[in-house]
Amino acid sequence: DTAVSQTPKYLVTQMGNDKSIKCEQNLGHDTMYWYKQDSKKFLKIMFSYNNKELIINETVPNRFSPKSPDKAHLNLHINSLELGDSAVYFCASSQQGEYGYTFGSGTRLTVV
Amino acid sequence: DAKTTQPPSMDCAEGRAANLPCNHSTISGNEYVYWYRQIHSQGPQYIIHGLKNNETNEMASLIITEDRKSSTLILPHATLRDTAVYYCIVRFTNAGNMLTFGGGTRLMVKP
Repeated sequence: DTAVSQTPKYLVTQMGNDKSIKCEQNLGHDTMYWYKQDSKKFLKIMFSYNNKELIINETVPNRFSPKSPDKAHLNLHINSLELGDSAVYFCASSQQGEYGYTFGSGTRLTVV
Repeated sequence: DAKTTQPPSMDCAEGRAANLPCNHSTISGNEYVYWYRQIHSQGPQYIIHGLKNNETNEMASLIITEDRKSSTLILPHATLRDTAVYYCIVRFTNAGNMLTFGGGTRLMVKP
């Protein structure tokens, strides 16, 4: 069983569209995250979310919004997509008091 | 979180030990040293972490200097599959303290 799974693996869409990326973890972790890895390969934290608190990296445009229907899911919604949003997006999870993050395999988003 | 400095790239011969250095001279007393790696096109993978003492697990060993201002990740017998970007990260472990990645070291294991 995949611990952190993301769908879709690849997403190609036009500028201006709204899209979502789904993330599910079956580890029972209490905190989930979204990261963006751009073409220069830098990994940047976007959001951290548990059932109590959403922490947003201040550099993330408000077109991006995380939505968590339950503890095991943290989906990423992106409105009005722009060319600069093209990147690989990684979901991750962790458990408070434990030390390692578990990452998904990534979603490659291409905006044309 | 304390800033870390790593060489941008390193080579290692297959079967030899790979020693990846990391400087973290501004580390504070309660910050841990973490190592992750990212193999091409995959999500980052946790390797090991430590506070003061040297640590070893099935993947690697972590050597932290006595003053804690630097550390070395050791892959004892590197294989081609260890070719990846290795990230050294220093952070507190309290809730809300997110994992922040720097540039890392690109390790190339060569036959």
